[in-house]
Amino acid sequence: EPEVTQTPSHQVTQMGQEVILRCVPISNHLYFYWYRQILGQKVEFLVSFYNNEISEKSEIFDDQFSVERPDGSNFTLKIRSTKLEDSAMYFCASSSGPGDTQYFGPGTRLTVL
Amino acid sequence: AQSVTQPDIHITVSEGASLELRCNYSYGATPYLFWYVQSPGQGLQLLLKYFSGDTLVQGIKGFEAEFKRSQSSFNLRKPSVHWSDAAEYFCAVVRSYGGSQGNLIFGKGTKLSVKP
Repeated sequence: EPEVTQTPSHQVTQMGQEVILRCVPISNHLYFYWYRQILGQKVEFLVSFYNNEISEKSEIFDDQFSVERPDGSNFTLKIRSTKLEDSAMYFCASSSGPGDTQYFGPGTRLTVL
Repeated sequence: AQSVTQPDIHITVSEGASLELRCNYSYGATPYLFWYVQSPGQGLQLLLKYFSGDTLVQGIKGFEAEFKRSQSSFNLRKPSVHWSDAAEYFCAVVRSYGGSQGNLIFGKGTKLSVKP
């Protein structure tokens, strides 16, 4: 069964450093999403991406964040200058259409020191 | 604005007992509703979904959920809980206004513990 994969599973970084979280969505899906879950809190939407551009973003997704689909398979989330409060589990998801079932990857746990 | 409420933060049931996890949503039209499960250290796995049609939907692992428009609810049920069901359960609704591309709005989750 096709699945969404994410690398790395755990990333530790120093405050102010740049990080890139990588995702490989399900191959025939067209809509891609990033969510995050701060420890003990609910899963929150960050950004959706379709047709090589951001289609929607939340207020969390400020100028420090960017997303890219550098090739036909990868979907990345970059945090330019990490802050302590960026520590969270980041989930990538993909779907075949807006409103269709989103399939989630296993997540990347980001720890900012 | 759309929202999802899971009123129970933590529930403990005995193995073999029945389970019902509550979920209430706020949305004017018929929503697209989902239940996901997250085992410790794992990602989110889809249990079941409701888009339209039969209001009782069956999912994986013996779970089912019933959509009740009159109560704005989408409660998750299982007749007999197994120890492996211990996890956190999230109810979610697709955001569908303002030109949204369908991002999910999650509830805060209900943590399920199972007693032997």
